[in-house]
Amino acid sequence: QVQLVQSGAEVRKPGSSVKVSCKTSGGTFNNFAFTWVRQAPGQGLEWMGGIVPFFYTPNYAQKFQGRLTITTDESTSTVYMELSSLRSGDTAVYYCARREGYNYHAFHIWGQGTLVTVSS
Amino acid sequence: DIVMTQTPLSLSVTPGQPASISCKSSQSLLHNDGKTYLHWYLQKPGQSPQLLIHEVSTRFSGVPDRFSGSGSGTDFTLKISRVEAEDVGVYYCMQSRQLPLTFGGGTKVEIK
Repeated sequence: QVQLVQSGAEVRKPGSSVKVSCKTSGGTFNNFAFTWVRQAPGQGLEWMGGIVPFFYTPNYAQKFQGRLTITTDESTSTVYMELSSLRSGDTAVYYCARREGYNYHAFHIWGQGTLVTVSS
Repeated sequence: DIVMTQTPLSLSVTPGQPASISCKSSQSLLHNDGKTYLHWYLQKPGQSPQLLIHEVSTRFSGVPDRFSGSGSGTDFTLKISRVEAEDVGVYYCMQSRQLPLTFGGGTKVEIK
């Protein structure tokens, strides 16, 4: 069964980092593109960045440059999103999504979301 | 960045009646490859977003044919021919013509 399973909810203090995992099943890992989208409470969807494992190099939204790191582990079919220097505005549900192919067009497989709460 | 503007912000629809959502982009979404990269998602309450329509008008697998998409260039529309109770949620348009990917602000659809 094709699915994305994300790691569980996290609580972090301002200034710290969080690393969220997204394990995929079904298909060949290097044939996919992955993206990360977040949603602050009561707000809309915001693209953070993505990665095409075949090309190795991630892409980041300018807003997150320097704070966001997206990596992959082909051996476990897992994609990771690490966000550093956390502030209260980073409190959100973080989603990973996947599509076949080497581009960032319509993503049709989504993880269940991971709530990250940043609070002192 | 390409700015995506959706209207209306919310919609209250009687079951069986049609609904229409507009999405406008600040730049043309027509790519050099001839495709237009405008997609529609529905986020039902408490759920992850789900893909409804990709590349303006192609319904994703399993999406009922009461959903249709149209438009070109910078102006796009999602139509629901007869709204059903299961259609409630927030609808988002998204462009993938260029990075960063950007979403419209969302349109909340509820049932009267």
